[in-house]
Amino acid sequence: DGGITQSPKYLFRKEGQNVTLSCEQNLNHDAMYWYRQDPGQGLRLIYYSQIVNDFQKGDIAEGYSVSREKKESFPLTVTSAQKNPTAFYLCASMRESYDTQYFGPGTRLTVL
Amino acid sequence: RKEVEQDPGPFNVPEGATVAFNCTYSNSASQSFFWYRQDCRKEPKLLMSVYSSGNEDGRFTAQLNRASQYISLLIRDSKLSDSATYLCVVRGTDTGRRALTFGSGTRLQVQP
Repeated sequence: DGGITQSPKYLFRKEGQNVTLSCEQNLNHDAMYWYRQDPGQGLRLIYYSQIVNDFQKGDIAEGYSVSREKKESFPLTVTSAQKNPTAFYLCASMRESYDTQYFGPGTRLTVL
Repeated sequence: RKEVEQDPGPFNVPEGATVAFNCTYSNSASQSFFWYRQDCRKEPKLLMSVYSSGNEDGRFTAQLNRASQYISLLIRDSKLSDSATYLCVVRGTDTGRRALTFGSGTRLQVQP
């Protein structure tokens, strides 16, 4: 079954801790994206990567970091510098020359 | 002004009703348009792309008006299973990142 997986589904973090959210895809898609969704709001772009070993900041990158060492994987680290990290985090991927993005099931992060 | 604006609703309609959502976008150079569906606490899923000529998929019809910069979605013969939040999505002209801009969504509740 091809698709995008994210783990964990729920994550609880204490203030001051860094946490890493996993995103894996076996669709052979080139581009991968991280979005954040807050209640009642649309998705906002955090980081994106068009190719392995390259990534770019999105609209709200402060307090986040990413890596793209493999085509299939695009993990997101939420650092202690992110002041309001409680949100629903969604990973997406897209094939080159196509417009449609496909989403993973998301990770709900809560800061205690 | 938000890049993509939608009426948040909720739209409460009886089964079998026809309901229409509109969405406006601010960037006149936007190139691609989509409707995504998002169920409660789930990831967005592509419902349909929106073409200038309009397109239909079963009970769903999408229209694009470039001159007025709005997109519409019409749902005929509403089913209980149509209850969800519908996200209007636009891809801009930044060909480098090819990211999507999401509206905040319109919530639909179909009642028996």
